Amino acid sequence: KQEVTQIPAALSVPEGENLVLNCSFTDSAIYNLQWFRQDPGKGLTSLLLIQSSQREQTSGRLNASLDKSSGRSTLYIAASQPGDSATYLCAVRSWANAGKSTFGDGTTLTVKP
Amino acid sequence: NAGVTQTPKFRVLKTGQSMTLLCAQDMNHEYMYWYRQDPGMGLRLIHYSVGEGTTAKGEVPDGYNVSRLKKQNFLLGLESAAPSQTSVYFCASSPLAGENTGELFFGEGSRLTVL
Repeated sequence: KQEVTQIPAALSVPEGENLVLNCSFTDSAIYNLQWFRQDPGKGLTSLLLIQSSQREQTSGRLNASLDKSSGRSTLYIAASQPGDSATYLCAVRSWANAGKSTFGDGTTLTVKP
Repeated sequence: NAGVTQTPKFRVLKTGQSMTLLCAQDMNHEYMYWYRQDPGMGLRLIHYSVGEGTTAKGEVPDGYNVSRLKKQNFLLGLESAAPSQTSVYFCASSPLAGENTGELFFGEGSRLTVL
């Protein structure tokens, strides 16, 4: 059974700092890994999607990397802003089990002005 | 594109009442999923469907039923609501694995309170 862990559970940083969020998974037979952002009381917004054959994806100030062999992904946020404050979730999709995704519990990020 | 639309967005039920949550997607996706999100429990899969006319149980299916009569719609039913079903429910859809990127798209959620 795939298990996904996100560390830390919460992170508070001053504005302008670069930061890294971590996601680890137990089964490396994945199809893709997707990072989401969730604001309080809102739905999940897709940030980046990495296919199993890829090593990284970039969008603006965000960069996500994937290392299947070690079962890890990182989300790098450059020059953080207060508007980046949210909960960040990673989801791992497997080839098996009808392509179901397993979610981590998320990292709640607070960027202080 | 509307993407994934959930109705209703908010609902309050009394214990024992029944209701149906509707999820509609306009992206012609094969896969559809219902999740619930609870504090400290993360997102948990209730039921899912890999195509029109198919449904399957997820991680926490008890107390829920689903139907996928049309490809674009996935209905989640509560036959006899219980306070333990108070939660935020999310619907998601995805193209077939192997098509495009297999990206997961979410609705905005439905907040259900059972008194």
